[in-house]
Amino acid sequence: EAGVVQSPRYKIIEKKQPVAFWCNPISGHNTLYWYRQNLGQGPELLIRYENEEAVDDSQLPKDRFSAERLKGVDSTLKIQPAELGDSAVYLCASSPRSLAGVSNEQFFGPGTRLTVL
Amino acid sequence: GEDVEQSLFLSVREGDSSVINCTYTDSSSTYLYWYKQEPGAGLQLLTYIFSNMDMKQDQRLTVLLNKKDKHLSLRIADTQTGDSAIYFCAESPLEYGNKLVFGAGTILRVKS
Repeated sequence: EAGVVQSPRYKIIEKKQPVAFWCNPISGHNTLYWYRQNLGQGPELLIRYENEEAVDDSQLPKDRFSAERLKGVDSTLKIQPAELGDSAVYLCASSPRSLAGVSNEQFFGPGTRLTVL
Repeated sequence: GEDVEQSLFLSVREGDSSVINCTYTDSSSTYLYWYKQEPGAGLQLLTYIFSNMDMKQDQRLTVLLNKKDKHLSLRIADTQTGDSAIYFCAESPLEYGNKLVFGAGTILRVKS
Protein backbone atom coordinates (compact mmCIF):
# COMPACT_ATOMS: atom_id res chain seq x y z
CA GLU A 1 0.00 0.00 0.00
CA ALA A 2 1.43 3.39 -0.94
CA GLY A 3 2.07 5.82 1.86
CA VAL A 4 1.36 9.54 1.98
CA VAL A 5 2.92 11.20 -1.04
CA GLN A 6 4.15 14.77 -1.01
CA SER A 7 5.74 16.93 -3.66
CA PRO A 8 8.02 18.61 -4.14
CA ARG A 9 10.49 17.25 -1.62
CA TYR A 10 12.55 20.43 -1.64
CA LYS A 11 11.77 23.99 -2.64
CA ILE A 12 13.96 27.08 -2.59
CA ILE A 13 12.34 30.43 -3.32
CA GLU A 14 12.99 34.08 -2.75
CA LYS A 15 10.90 35.98 -0.24
CA LYS A 16 7.65 37.46 -1.51
CA GLN A 17 7.29 34.65 -4.06
CA PRO A 18 4.35 32.23 -3.93
CA VAL A 19 4.81 28.52 -3.28
CA ALA A 20 2.51 25.50 -3.25
CA PHE A 21 2.81 22.05 -1.77
CA TRP A 22 0.83 19.00 -2.78
CA CYS A 23 -0.24 15.97 -0.78
CA ASN A 24 -1.87 12.70 -1.75
CA PRO A 25 -3.06 10.84 1.37
CA ILE A 26 -3.39 7.11 1.82
CA SER A 27 -6.36 5.79 -0.11
CA GLY A 28 -9.50 5.71 2.00
CA HIS A 29 -8.23 8.07 4.69
CA ASN A 30 -10.87 10.68 5.41
CA THR A 31 -8.76 12.90 7.61
CA LEU A 32 -5.86 14.94 6.30
CA TYR A 33 -3.48 17.17 8.25
CA TRP A 34 -0.92 19.77 7.33
CA TYR A 35 1.85 20.39 9.87
CA ARG A 36 4.78 22.76 9.93
CA GLN A 37 8.01 21.59 11.56
CA ASN A 38 10.58 24.23 12.36
CA LEU A 39 14.19 23.23 12.84
CA GLY A 40 14.69 21.53 16.20
CA GLN A 41 10.98 21.45 16.97
CA GLY A 42 8.11 19.03 16.79
CA PRO A 43 5.39 19.38 14.14
CA GLU A 44 2.67 21.95 14.75
CA LEU A 45 -0.75 21.55 13.21
CA LEU A 46 -1.73 24.11 10.59
CA ILE A 47 -5.02 22.67 9.35
CA ARG A 48 -7.08 19.50 9.60
CA TYR A 49 -9.61 18.28 7.04
CA GLU A 50 -12.42 15.80 7.47
CA ASN A 51 -13.11 14.85 3.86
CA GLU A 52 -13.29 18.21 2.07
CA GLU A 53 -14.20 20.26 5.14
CA ALA A 54 -11.56 22.18 7.09
CA VAL A 55 -12.54 21.42 10.70
CA ASP A 56 -9.57 23.00 12.46
CA ASP A 57 -7.65 25.85 10.85
CA SER A 58 -7.09 27.89 13.98
CA GLN A 59 -3.30 27.75 13.59
CA LEU A 60 -3.22 28.64 9.90
CA PRO A 61 -1.92 32.20 9.26
CA LYS A 62 -4.76 33.16 7.01
CA ASP A 63 -3.24 36.36 5.72
CA ARG A 64 -0.74 34.44 3.61
CA PHE A 65 -1.57 30.74 3.89
CA SER A 66 -4.40 28.93 2.17
CA ALA A 67 -5.29 25.29 1.72
CA GLU A 68 -7.82 23.26 -0.16
CA ARG A 69 -8.89 19.67 -0.42
CA LEU A 70 -11.14 19.42 -3.40
CA LYS A 71 -13.12 16.16 -3.69
CA GLY A 72 -11.82 15.14 -0.28
CA VAL A 73 -8.69 13.42 -1.55
CA ASP A 74 -5.58 15.39 -2.59
CA SER A 75 -4.73 18.63 -0.89
CA THR A 76 -2.63 21.69 -1.64
CA LEU A 77 -1.14 24.18 0.79
CA LYS A 78 -0.17 27.58 -0.56
CA ILE A 79 1.85 30.45 0.81
CA GLN A 80 1.61 33.83 -0.87
CA PRO A 81 3.78 35.76 -0.37
CA ALA A 82 6.44 33.72 1.40
CA GLU A 83 8.49 35.27 4.19
CA LEU A 84 11.89 34.30 5.57
CA GLY A 85 10.27 32.85 8.68
CA ASP A 86 8.29 30.37 6.59
CA SER A 87 11.41 28.26 6.07
CA ALA A 88 10.50 24.89 7.57
CA VAL A 89 9.47 21.37 6.67
CA TYR A 90 5.80 21.07 5.74
CA LEU A 91 4.41 17.67 6.60
CA CYS A 92 1.20 16.12 5.41
CA ALA A 93 -0.43 13.29 7.34
CA SER A 94 -3.59 11.27 7.00
CA SER A 95 -5.63 8.98 9.21
CA PRO A 96 -8.58 6.70 8.54
CA ARG A 97 -11.07 8.73 10.50
CA SER A 98 -10.94 11.29 13.27
CA LEU A 99 -13.01 10.26 16.26
CA ALA A 100 -12.66 11.64 19.75
CA GLY A 101 -11.59 8.98 22.21
CA VAL A 102 -10.26 6.61 19.54
CA SER A 103 -6.58 6.10 18.91
CA ASN A 104 -5.60 8.43 16.13
CA GLU A 105 -2.70 6.89 14.25
CA GLN A 106 -1.55 9.47 11.77
CA PHE A 107 0.57 8.42 8.81
CA PHE A 108 3.06 11.03 7.74
CA GLY A 109 4.54 11.83 4.37
CA PRO A 110 8.26 12.64 3.96
CA GLY A 111 7.57 16.39 3.94
CA THR A 112 8.55 19.33 1.77
CA ARG A 113 11.58 21.26 2.95
CA LEU A 114 11.03 24.94 2.13
CA THR A 115 13.88 27.42 2.15
CA VAL A 116 13.00 31.09 1.72
CA LEU A 117 15.95 33.32 0.77
CA GLY B 1 -2.74 24.54 28.11
CA GLU B 2 -0.72 22.48 25.73
CA ASP B 3 2.89 21.84 26.49
CA VAL B 4 4.91 18.69 25.98
CA GLU B 5 8.50 18.68 27.18
CA GLN B 6 11.32 16.28 26.41
CA SER B 7 15.04 16.18 27.04
CA LEU B 8 16.97 17.20 23.94
CA PHE B 9 19.62 14.53 23.60
CA LEU B 10 20.47 11.00 24.71
CA SER B 11 23.57 9.01 23.87
CA VAL B 12 23.85 5.28 24.59
CA ARG B 13 26.09 2.38 23.61
CA GLU B 14 24.82 -0.31 21.29
CA GLY B 15 23.20 -3.09 23.32
CA ASP B 16 22.33 -0.88 26.27
CA SER B 17 18.81 0.24 27.13
CA SER B 18 17.61 3.74 26.24
CA VAL B 19 15.04 5.63 28.26
CA ILE B 20 13.45 8.73 26.78
CA ASN B 21 11.30 10.83 29.07
CA CYS B 22 8.42 13.19 28.41
CA THR B 23 6.10 15.34 30.50
CA TYR B 24 2.76 16.61 29.26
CA THR B 25 0.18 18.97 30.66
CA ASP B 26 -3.30 17.95 29.53
CA SER B 27 -4.81 15.21 31.67
CA SER B 28 -7.72 14.85 29.22
CA SER B 29 -5.50 13.17 26.64
CA THR B 30 -7.02 9.75 26.02
CA TYR B 31 -3.97 8.45 24.19
CA LEU B 32 -0.29 9.34 24.32
CA TYR B 33 2.02 8.58 21.45
CA TRP B 34 5.64 7.98 20.58
CA TYR B 35 6.80 8.79 17.05
CA LYS B 36 10.21 8.24 15.45
CA GLN B 37 11.74 10.46 12.77
CA GLU B 38 14.77 9.44 10.77
CA PRO B 39 16.77 12.00 8.77
CA GLY B 40 14.87 13.31 5.76
CA ALA B 41 11.80 11.24 6.56
CA GLY B 42 8.37 11.85 7.99
CA LEU B 43 7.27 10.69 11.39
CA GLN B 44 6.52 7.05 12.02
CA LEU B 45 4.25 5.93 14.84
CA LEU B 46 6.17 3.61 17.16
CA THR B 47 3.60 2.93 19.82
CA TYR B 48 0.85 4.52 21.86
CA ILE B 49 -0.71 3.97 25.25
CA PHE B 50 -4.28 4.40 26.45
CA SER B 51 -4.49 6.75 29.40
CA ASN B 52 -5.99 4.18 31.77
CA MET B 53 -2.95 1.93 31.37
CA ASP B 54 0.32 2.36 33.20
CA MET B 55 2.48 0.13 31.03
CA LYS B 56 2.55 -1.24 27.53
CA GLN B 57 5.17 -3.56 26.08
CA ASP B 58 5.76 -4.17 22.39
CA GLN B 59 8.84 -6.25 21.58
CA ARG B 60 11.85 -4.08 22.48
CA LEU B 61 9.69 -1.11 23.42
CA THR B 62 8.19 -0.46 26.85
CA VAL B 63 6.02 2.56 27.54
CA LEU B 64 5.43 3.66 31.12
CA LEU B 65 2.74 6.18 32.01
CA ASN B 66 2.45 7.98 35.33
CA LYS B 67 -0.82 9.80 34.94
CA LYS B 68 -0.62 11.49 38.34
CA ASP B 69 2.69 13.14 37.44
CA LYS B 70 1.82 13.43 33.72
CA HIS B 71 5.03 11.62 32.90
CA LEU B 72 5.56 9.28 29.97
CA SER B 73 8.67 7.29 29.14
CA LEU B 74 9.84 5.08 26.30
CA ARG B 75 12.35 2.36 27.01
CA ILE B 76 14.16 0.71 24.12
CA ALA B 77 15.85 -2.54 25.11
CA ASP B 78 19.03 -3.72 23.37
CA THR B 79 19.39 -0.44 21.49
CA GLN B 80 20.78 -0.79 17.98
CA THR B 81 22.49 1.71 15.69
CA GLY B 82 19.33 1.68 13.56
CA ASP B 83 17.47 3.17 16.50
CA SER B 84 19.39 6.43 16.08
CA ALA B 85 16.72 9.01 15.27
CA ILE B 86 14.61 11.74 16.82
CA TYR B 87 11.82 10.54 19.10
CA PHE B 88 8.71 12.64 19.64
CA CYS B 89 6.21 12.33 22.42
CA ALA B 90 2.68 13.57 21.62
CA GLU B 91 -0.53 14.11 23.55
CA SER B 92 -4.04 14.45 22.15
CA PRO B 93 -6.10 16.78 24.35
CA LEU B 94 -9.80 15.91 24.16
CA GLU B 95 -10.87 19.52 23.81
CA TYR B 96 -8.92 19.74 20.59
CA GLY B 97 -10.49 16.70 18.99
CA ASN B 98 -7.76 14.51 17.59
CA LYS B 99 -5.10 17.18 17.28
CA LEU B 100 -1.68 15.88 18.27
CA VAL B 101 0.54 18.17 20.33
CA PHE B 102 4.18 17.19 19.94
CA GLY B 103 7.21 17.77 22.09
CA ALA B 104 10.40 19.16 20.54
CA GLY B 105 11.88 15.70 20.20
CA THR B 106 14.78 13.80 21.76
CA ILE B 107 17.78 13.01 19.59
CA LEU B 108 18.93 9.46 20.31
CA ARG B 109 22.48 8.66 19.29
CA VAL B 110 23.62 5.05 19.49
CA LYS B 111 27.36 4.47 19.57
CA SER B 112 28.76 1.18 18.30
